[in-house]
Amino acid sequence: DGGITQSPKYLFRKEGQNVTLSCEQNLNHDAMYWYRQDPGQGLRLIYYSQIVNDFQKGDIAEGYSVSREKKESFPLTVTSAQKNPTAFYLCASRITRGFNQPQHFGDGTRLSIL
Amino acid sequence: AQSVTQLDSHVSVSEGTPVLLRCNYSSSYSPSLFWYVQHPNKGLQLLLKYTSAATLVKGINGFEAEFKKSETSFHLTKPSAHMSDAAEYFCVVSGRAGGTSYGKLTFGQGTILTVHP
Repeated sequence: DGGITQSPKYLFRKEGQNVTLSCEQNLNHDAMYWYRQDPGQGLRLIYYSQIVNDFQKGDIAEGYSVSREKKESFPLTVTSAQKNPTAFYLCASRITRGFNQPQHFGDGTRLSIL
Repeated sequence: AQSVTQLDSHVSVSEGTPVLLRCNYSSSYSPSLFWYVQHPNKGLQLLLKYTSAATLVKGINGFEAEFKKSETSFHLTKPSAHMSDAAEYFCVVSGRAGGTSYGKLTFGQGTILTVHP
């Protein structure tokens, strides 16, 4: 079945540590997105990529980094500069033809501080 | 600029009674509108989308939504609630921000639906 796979499901970060969240899709979608979800705040866009080797900052990119070396993969690194990383992180992808194509979501990674 | 307001943070219904989740939007362009559902510790699943073809949109699991341009609303309804409908629901707008087509989404704050036996 086609879909988006996020791993790990749960992740714990120590002070001063960088951690990387994985996102892989086999939907052949060009565009991929990372969101952060906090209770009562909806979803906020961290980074997005419309094509391999290109990505753009979203609304809350500080303290995060991404890469897009392959069409299928869009990993997110939460750096030590992100002082409040505890959240639920969601990866999404979509077809890029037209602005009205829906985004498809993975099942998320929950990141906590040790 | 675009924005979405979900008018209720929590809605509680009894099983078998109608569901109404309210959403108002603001957009500088003709918007596309979506409703997504999220069960605990899961990703978002698309319920339905409006893309200007018809104002009444039918989705999965018996849900539907009506686009009302004059009221800038896109309320989600279901005639009869089921226990499995208990989840959080997000109203989402997508528009042509700055003329780009990358499908920037703006999410509402979410409405938690509780269904009582």
